[in-house]
Amino acid sequence: GAGVSQSPSNKVTEKGKDVELRCDPISGHTALYWYRQSLGQGLEFLIYFQGNSAPDKSGLPSDRFSAERTGGSVSTLTIQRTQQEDSAVYLCASSLVSGTDTGELFFGEGSRLTVL
Amino acid sequence: GNSVTQMEGPVTLSEEAFLTINCTYTATGYPSLFWYVQYPGEGLQLLLKATKADDKGSNKGFEATYRKETTSFHLEKGSVQVSDSAVYFCALISSGGSYIPTFGRGTSLIVHP
Repeated sequence: GAGVSQSPSNKVTEKGKDVELRCDPISGHTALYWYRQSLGQGLEFLIYFQGNSAPDKSGLPSDRFSAERTGGSVSTLTIQRTQQEDSAVYLCASSLVSGTDTGELFFGEGSRLTVL
Repeated sequence: GNSVTQMEGPVTLSEEAFLTINCTYTATGYPSLFWYVQYPGEGLQLLLKATKADDKGSNKGFEATYRKETTSFHLEKGSVQVSDSAVYFCALISSGGSYIPTFGRGTSLIVHP
């Protein structure tokens, strides 16, 4: 497909387990973003990748969260030892034009994580 | 730091009613401003944007004007349709900054026939 693809679309896990969420951005997009959308809380920035630069991890809420982007394309967000407060929809977005203040983000449909 | 404040929802309207969703912001420099829309079961998509003061962004009958003096970017539509039911997010990207968009909390719009 031509859009941003995320998997899984839904994930239910037990507290304390690790989870991996995958994002496949639009081909050729150099910038990739992860956000978290909690009920009534809007979009919370997590991490930003731009080309080969070091990622901006300033939004990661704890050291249980990490992300990588391999080959400048697919990204994986990993949450270790999940807690109930990690339950949310995790959104990935990519952008063709970065390093400017006018770039449009293209979002995937999100991965809904439920921690029991 | 940057922040975006939107009116709380849900906003419930009848078809053909006039819509306003308020958005105000705090940012360093001269940000670019955006409205994104999330239809049920879909990802967010850009609705419109404005990159400098007094610019008006428009798309699909929606409009928003960049008001620097009031730091606002209110979304308006003259006559809403049932198909406009969605969640609307106001966002900004600060100039000279990290180019990471800051989003508001979103405002849910429900349009009844």
